[in-house]
Amino acid sequence: GAGVSQSPSNKVTEKGKDVELRCDPISGHTALYWYRQSLGQGLEFLIYFQGNSAPDKSGLPSDRFSAERTGGSVSTLTIQRTQQEDSAVYLCASSPRTGGGEKLFFGSGTQLSVL
Amino acid sequence: DAKTTQPTSMDCAEGRAANLPCNHSTISGNEYVYWYRQIHSQGPQYIIHGLKNNETNEMASLIITEDRKSSTLILPHATLRDTAVYYCIVRYSGGYQKVTFGTGTKLQVIP
Repeated sequence: GAGVSQSPSNKVTEKGKDVELRCDPISGHTALYWYRQSLGQGLEFLIYFQGNSAPDKSGLPSDRFSAERTGGSVSTLTIQRTQQEDSAVYLCASSPRTGGGEKLFFGSGTQLSVL
Repeated sequence: DAKTTQPTSMDCAEGRAANLPCNHSTISGNEYVYWYRQIHSQGPQYIIHGLKNNETNEMASLIITEDRKSSTLILPHATLRDTAVYYCIVRYSGGYQKVTFGTGTKLQVIP
């Protein structure tokens, strides 16, 4: 079966431009997570969607960052007016349900480079 | 999530057992211990999880102390492909909860 799919795999953009990163979770998974990983660093939590509940946006670093999840499936992370410090790998993960015992399944990430 | 502490890095000889420790002294009764690993340039991969009892699967074994304040991930026969960053996290068994990762342990398997 298909895993978590992220697109594009690589994105190069100019400072000040807006970018959209897409995540297709595993079918039927109700939870979806976005993380950011700068070179040589750990995973930084950004945002968490669970079913129809309001998302946990506590990790978004600024109001230039936003995310939505349409129809409980596909999610888009949008970064407006990109800055060089936004350069990182953006990882998406999904899991089948909330509660103990569920595992996170990660995509391969989008490498974002802001010039 | 309860805080976990792990050594920054470890080395292990190829073919030997790799024992990766994790401290989670503030873990509560219904929090599970999970282990993931991240091989260079890839997304993290689930390894194993447990609540109280020791667990084993095809990838690894998880040993949880009786007081649950620490655990050890064991890779019984480390190979070069096990070189990765290993993350230990804890999370509740229910409810709506984000998952945060620490900095993990960089395991280097040496030929």
